[in-house]
Amino acid sequence: AQKVTQAQTEISVVEKEDVTLDCVYETRDTTYYLFWYKQPPSGELVFLIRRNSFDEQNEISGRYSWNFQKSTSSFNFTITASQVVDSAVYFCALSEEGSSNTGKLIFGQGTTLQVKP
Amino acid sequence: NAGVMQNPRHLVRRRGQEARLRCSPMKGHSHVYWYRQLPEEGLKFMVYLQKENIIDESGMPKERFSAEFPKEGPSILRIQQVVRGDSAAYFCASSRGDLYEQYFGPGTRLTVT
Repeated sequence: AQKVTQAQTEISVVEKEDVTLDCVYETRDTTYYLFWYKQPPSGELVFLIRRNSFDEQNEISGRYSWNFQKSTSSFNFTITASQVVDSAVYFCALSEEGSSNTGKLIFGQGTTLQVKP
Repeated sequence: NAGVMQNPRHLVRRRGQEARLRCSPMKGHSHVYWYRQLPEEGLKFMVYLQKENIIDESGMPKERFSAEFPKEGPSILRIQQVVRGDSAAYFCASSRGDLYEQYFGPGTRLTVT
């Protein structure tokens, strides 16, 4: 069965520190997609990244970077030089391609990141 | 360049009333997903629709909940005879295909008193 685990419930850092949010997933499919979303205090969900299971290259976007490792079923997210505006709940999610799957997202429980000034 | 629109943003209903939540997908998107975020819980899939078709409703409660996405107009999530346990944030997301990124609306926060 598919499952996403974000073991860190809450993380608190001081501004300018680097922080890594962990995500571990379980799936039987060979083709699947992984996502990260940000939910700031205002409540909306902001799409950050989508990665397919055949692309293990790490990705960097500004201060954000993602480390995808199939060997450990992990898709970790690092924020470099964190800022107060990064304070939010971050969700990792999985979508499988199998015939019975329709793109629905399986979310982890979320990690609440607090960045203090 | 409008994103996914949901209304109302906040909805208060008394127990036993009906709640109707609306979702207009992004322009060019014909796939709509509904998710529910209960207090202290993560986001859970409810239903996936394309125009005039329910594709996957495996996450919908068996009773009182229904969804539609008519040929014209927004997708609607309907909750009949609401109970306190229905209080949650309901998010709609749209995409251009099954496995593409889903873009979320701002959510509707339903409070049942």
